[in-house]
Amino acid sequence: GDSVTQMEGPVTLSEEAFLTINCTYTATGYPSLFWYVQYPGEGLQLLLKATKADDKGSNKGFEATYRKETTSFHLEKGSVQVSDSAVYFCALSDPPYTYGNKLVFGAGTILRVKS
Amino acid sequence: DAGVIQSPRHEVTEMGQEVTLRCKPISGHNSLFWYRQTMMRGLELLIYFNNNVPIDDSGMPEDRFSAKMPNASFSTLKIQPSEPRDSAVYFCASSYGTGVLTEAFFGQGTRLTVV
Repeated sequence: GDSVTQMEGPVTLSEEAFLTINCTYTATGYPSLFWYVQYPGEGLQLLLKATKADDKGSNKGFEATYRKETTSFHLEKGSVQVSDSAVYFCALSDPPYTYGNKLVFGAGTILRVKS
Repeated sequence: DAGVIQSPRHEVTEMGQEVTLRCKPISGHNSLFWYRQTMMRGLELLIYFNNNVPIDDSGMPEDRFSAKMPNASFSTLKIQPSEPRDSAVYFCASSYGTGVLTEAFFGQGTRLTVV
């Protein structure tokens, strides 16, 4: 079945450091890929997505590129802030999308940013 | 819009008791998803509905779990009888439309503890 593997956390960085959170996937079809973020005490929010190979999703300074050849969707940010501290989830959704996206999530990576 | 509303936010119950979790999706959304988050298994899709009809309940772990959506603005997830291994955070999400570009909006979750 489909699965998503993320790097284990927690990841602890100083403010303004460069962030990479690795994500690889296994899918039977040609999935769409997502990053969700969960701030303390809140539900998950969509951060960015990509629907086909070589697409780059971006939002709030975060970026991820859909790499079909390496089945990866690594999350990056050039300069993190304390407010980026959260749990980040990589996810995929396989077609058909008749009822929207049925998401398969990775385990989540805790990010802690120190001032 | 108030977003997806889940109640209660926290629930502590004794083993063997019936537990009912509630979800109010965003008005106008036609798909609703129930997820469970545990340390061991991460985020898992339990069941999802489209236009109030259950589409796929293959993620429901046991017959002790049941879900209903009597109308477009309300859904319940019931566990009867509850067991300690059901302790988890349960999320409800809703989305509108079809296709890969639909976005799922998550509630804040219900933290269930079965003692």
